[in-house]
Amino acid sequence: AQSVTQLGSHVSVSEGALVLLRCNYSSSVPPYLFWYVQYPNQGLQLLLKYTSAATLVKGINGFEAEFKKSETSFHLTKPSAHMSDAAEYFCAVSRSNTGNQFYFGTGTSLTVIP
Amino acid sequence: NAGVTQTPKFQVLKTGQSMTLQCAQDMNHNSMYWYRQDPGMGLRLIYYSASEGTTDKGEVPNGYNVSRLNKREFSLRLESAAPSQTSVYFCASSEAIRGHYGYTFGSGTRLTVV
Repeated sequence: AQSVTQLGSHVSVSEGALVLLRCNYSSSVPPYLFWYVQYPNQGLQLLLKYTSAATLVKGINGFEAEFKKSETSFHLTKPSAHMSDAAEYFCAVSRSNTGNQFYFGTGTSLTVIP
Repeated sequence: NAGVTQTPKFQVLKTGQSMTLQCAQDMNHNSMYWYRQDPGMGLRLIYYSASEGTTDKGEVPNGYNVSRLNKREFSLRLESAAPSQTSVYFCASSEAIRGHYGYTFGSGTRLTVV
């Protein structure tokens, strides 16, 4: 079985501050891990993905995430928040062998305070 | 490129009515998916199609049917709509069913059943 837990359904940061969105996974086999972003009234857009290459993954818009097997985590970070980062963020996991579906977390809503 | 196109964008149905949600992708992807998004529950897979000619149930298939009309199109049908089916529906596609391929999502269909 596998699942994804996103700690904190709502996160608020000041503009220019560090963004840290937490994701922990459970998987019986080596996972593929993803972060998606959803802007209001839009579909989900892929931010970045981990597929067993480098453990530090860089994505679009200055975001990055680090795969830590010992902690079963894949937290999303950005050094300096912009107003345009306000959105819903979803962590997702799939299996590395068959991967016939993703398992999505319940999402974290990021608010950026000017 | 249009990516994944969903129609309609909004729909209001009365309980018991039927409707079909349409989805088309122009990326020559083999696999397509239907998800529903509900507050606090993330995205849940309804049905998926690993390749043209195949469909399989996901996590929440009851009350829905799908058709993979051809490689481009994957429709979702509600035969007798219920208020519990009020949700935002997303279609997605990927190059293949293997787990390391990210998904491309449509912009969603907001369905209200009264």
